[in-house]
Amino acid sequence: EVQLLESGGGLVQPGGSLRLSCAASGFTFSSNDMSWVRQAPGKGLEWVSAISGSGGSTYYADSVKGRFTISRDKSKSTLYLQMNSLRAEDTAVYYCAKDDGSGWHYFGYWGQGTLVTVSS
Amino acid sequence: EIVLTQSPATLSLSPGERATLSCRASQSVSSYLAWYQQKPGLAPRLLIYDASNRATGIPARFSGSGSGTDFTLTISSLEPEDFAVYYCQQRSNWPLTFGGGTKMEIK
Repeated sequence: EVQLLESGGGLVQPGGSLRLSCAASGFTFSSNDMSWVRQAPGKGLEWVSAISGSGGSTYYADSVKGRFTISRDKSKSTLYLQMNSLRAEDTAVYYCAKDDGSGWHYFGYWGQGTLVTVSS
Repeated sequence: EIVLTQSPATLSLSPGERATLSCRASQSVSSYLAWYQQKPGLAPRLLIYDASNRATGIPARFSGSGSGTDFTLTISSLEPEDFAVYYCQQRSNWPLTFGGGTKMEIK
């Protein structure tokens, strides 16, 4: 059974940093592209970043480019999102997600989400 | 960036009625479009991928159609559990993008 378990969310001041983790199990981690998707309170879904299975290719939304860094650790089957220079508008539930075989970059599997609050 | 525009923003219908949701792309995404359902406090659920293919375990009352820039999600006969928010998403180009959502509410 595929499981994605996010952690690392919390309250951080504007300009601060936070690192999110997503522990993956139930599939071959290194064979799957992974993404982060966020949802601000009461708002819609926003794709944030993706990384290829090998880690050699990364992609970012313009809203986070230069501030966020996605990475993965094959030995720990864990996906990361390093978030720097955080802003109030980064406040959201952050989900890690992957495909379910339907096609690359469709999200058939999601974690439960971790809440990031950027506030002074 | 490909912008996905969903309409209507809110759809008020009764159980048993037919629902038609629209997603329009600012440029062609071929058939690389998915639909998701999200209920409060839960992660989204994939319903349809590649415009018209139902994901695993999705009931036959859900169907998708379209290609290029215009797409439709149809729910043939609404069940009480179908009242939720629906999003479209394209994977044709980076960055991946989602539509703004359609909220389906009970009339």
